[in-house]
Amino acid sequence: QKEVEQDPGPLSVPEGAIVSLNCTYSNSAFQYFMWYRQYSRKGPELLMYTYSSGNKEDGRFTAQVDKSSKYISLFIRDSQPSDSATYLCAKKGGFQKLVFGTGTRLLVSP
Amino acid sequence: EAQVTQNPRYLITVTGKKLTVTCSQNMNHEYMSWYRQDPGLGLRQIYYSMNVEVTDKGDVPEGYKVSRKEKRNFPLILESPSPNQTSLYFCASSFTGEANYGYTFGSGTRLTVV
Repeated sequence: QKEVEQDPGPLSVPEGAIVSLNCTYSNSAFQYFMWYRQYSRKGPELLMYTYSSGNKEDGRFTAQVDKSSKYISLFIRDSQPSDSATYLCAKKGGFQKLVFGTGTRLLVSP
Repeated sequence: EAQVTQNPRYLITVTGKKLTVTCSQNMNHEYMSWYRQDPGLGLRQIYYSMNVEVTDKGDVPEGYKVSRKEKRNFPLILESPSPNQTSLYFCASSFTGEANYGYTFGSGTRLTVV
């Protein structure tokens, strides 16, 4: 079993929709969870991070961690075509290591 | 501008011909790491370095070497490349510590070994 599991998609939505991206993880020992966004032909860029359980909001983006069910979610409100990218969830392991999911490709159509 | 710079961006080479992919960061980060990204497998760590002269294997180190002689540079060396090393490679760096330090990634190197 992979440490972080993520549906590869693609997930296609119309502009303005609310998007929900999800990951599950298998090891409860870690506290930090992150979401990265990767545009085509670019390196991943840090979008949001959360510590432990709960929600964190940043503009149209909300990151949520449910440690009891080992579930990580990213919600995007009022999605825009510029949000079309691959979204990678990650959890921080020991010695600064990040373990990534395989990524979910999101397509937002105008 | 704070960044991680990788070179080259694209590389086509032949089996067995040694190559080096360079990585440099200007943020004074202690931690640097190399990942490869393959369809369906995601990002997998090859090697990492906690600081100068301190390197260790990641999850898929076979066929790769690294060195960390200076804090800013972390080259990836393929002594005898093989076709199964065809992949998209990313260098990343960060500060170390328990806090919420994410990685800064380079733009990637697409390597094809024929």
